[in-house]
Amino acid sequence: AQRVTQPEKLLSVFKGAPVELKCNYSYSGSPELFWYVQYSRQRLQLLLRHISRESIKGFTADLNKGETSFHLKKPFAQEEDSAMYYCALSRGYGGSQGNLIFGKGTKLSVKP
Amino acid sequence: DAGVTQSPTHLIKTRGQQVTLRCSPKSGHDTVSWYQQALGQGPQFIFQYYEEEERQRGNFPDRFSGHQFPNYSSELNVNALLLGDSALYLCASSSILAGDMYEQYFGPGTRLTVT
Repeated sequence: AQRVTQPEKLLSVFKGAPVELKCNYSYSGSPELFWYVQYSRQRLQLLLRHISRESIKGFTADLNKGETSFHLKKPFAQEEDSAMYYCALSRGYGGSQGNLIFGKGTKLSVKP
Repeated sequence: DAGVTQSPTHLIKTRGQQVTLRCSPKSGHDTVSWYQQALGQGPQFIFQYYEEEERQRGNFPDRFSGHQFPNYSSELNVNALLLGDSALYLCASSSILAGDMYEQYFGPGTRLTVT
């Protein structure tokens, strides 16, 4: 079964500390993986996707097919990073992308 | 551009009733996907519409149906409401024609409460 697992419901760190939000997936094909973020009172928005291999707001994520993981990392957390983070998997193909499977989310709290 | 808009913001219905939720996609987008987000859960895919047809469907019963109009806006209909249908319903738009289905833009959601 295709599944995304985020083992931590809540992650609390101090400002300036490193952050790692864990995401593991189960998928039989070649996955397309994403991180979405929802800041307080804002809508869900795309943070980054593994195919672009870019860093957004200091966050990076590497797809590890051997460990079936796509952990989100940032070396120095900022208070404005406090938000709900969702890992998501696209199980589409060709023109059928957009069918996302989401994890349950991890709430990141960065303390001053 | 207001981005993806949804109406209404909140809705309270009684078990057994029917409800219609509406979504207008971001300007230039042609594809609309609907998700259900229960409390404490991640969004769960319901279905996707493109060219006024349902192209993909998640694991939801036939009580959940939809429609897409020529202007790309969409409706989600739920019949015979159950208490378990209480959730935040999210609409997301993207563009097949632009070749970027990965960037889905989400609306603010409609909070449905079934009593």
